[in-house]
Amino acid sequence: EAQLLESGGGLVQPGGSLRLSCAASGFTFRDYAMTWVRQAPGKGLEWVSSIGGSGGDIYYGDSVKGRFTISRDNSQNILYLQMNSLRAEDTALYYCAKMSRYVVGATYNWFDPWGQGTLVTVSS
Amino acid sequence: DIQLTQSPSFLSASVGDRVTITCRASQDISNFLAWYQQKPGKAPKVLIYAASSLQSGVPSRFSGSGSGTEFTLTISSLQPEDFATYYCQQVNYYPLTFGGGTEVEIK
Repeated sequence: EAQLLESGGGLVQPGGSLRLSCAASGFTFRDYAMTWVRQAPGKGLEWVSSIGGSGGDIYYGDSVKGRFTISRDNSQNILYLQMNSLRAEDTALYYCAKMSRYVVGATYNWFDPWGQGTLVTVSS
Repeated sequence: DIQLTQSPSFLSASVGDRVTITCRASQDISNFLAWYQQKPGKAPKVLIYAASSLQSGVPSRFSGSGSGTEFTLTISSLQPEDFATYYCQQVNYYPLTFGGGTEVEIK
């Protein structure tokens, strides 16, 4: 059974940095694209970034482009999200999820499963 | 960017009721749509992919239909455990986008 476990969240000041990790198990990690999705308190879901199985194809949402960097270590089965220049509006629960395809740009690329999330709070 | 508009945003229904949630896309997305269920305090879970394909393990009372710009998620007979928020997502055009969600309350 595929499982994902996020870590690395916490309280950070505006302008600060944080690196999230997502440890994967129960599936062949390198064979699937992976993604980050966030959910602000009491709000809906917002896609953040996705990375292909090889790490070669990467997409970002406009709200994080230039500030966040997604990466993966296929030898350790870990997905990362480096978050720089954090703003109050980045406060959210951050989920990682496995995508259904190897390539980010493939069709029918839904998210399953999702991790339990890690909370990022940006506040002074 | 493709906008997804869900309606209603909130609904209250009784156990056994048939419930329908609509998701409208701002442009033609063929059948590149997924539906997710999120229970309070939990991560989302995929119910439907490719607009109408039931994910393995999901009860058959859930079904999806539609193509192009209009899609529906139907729960044929609402159960107490279906209390949750439901989101549609277009899964083919970047940036990927979600609908605003539909909260389902059990009367």
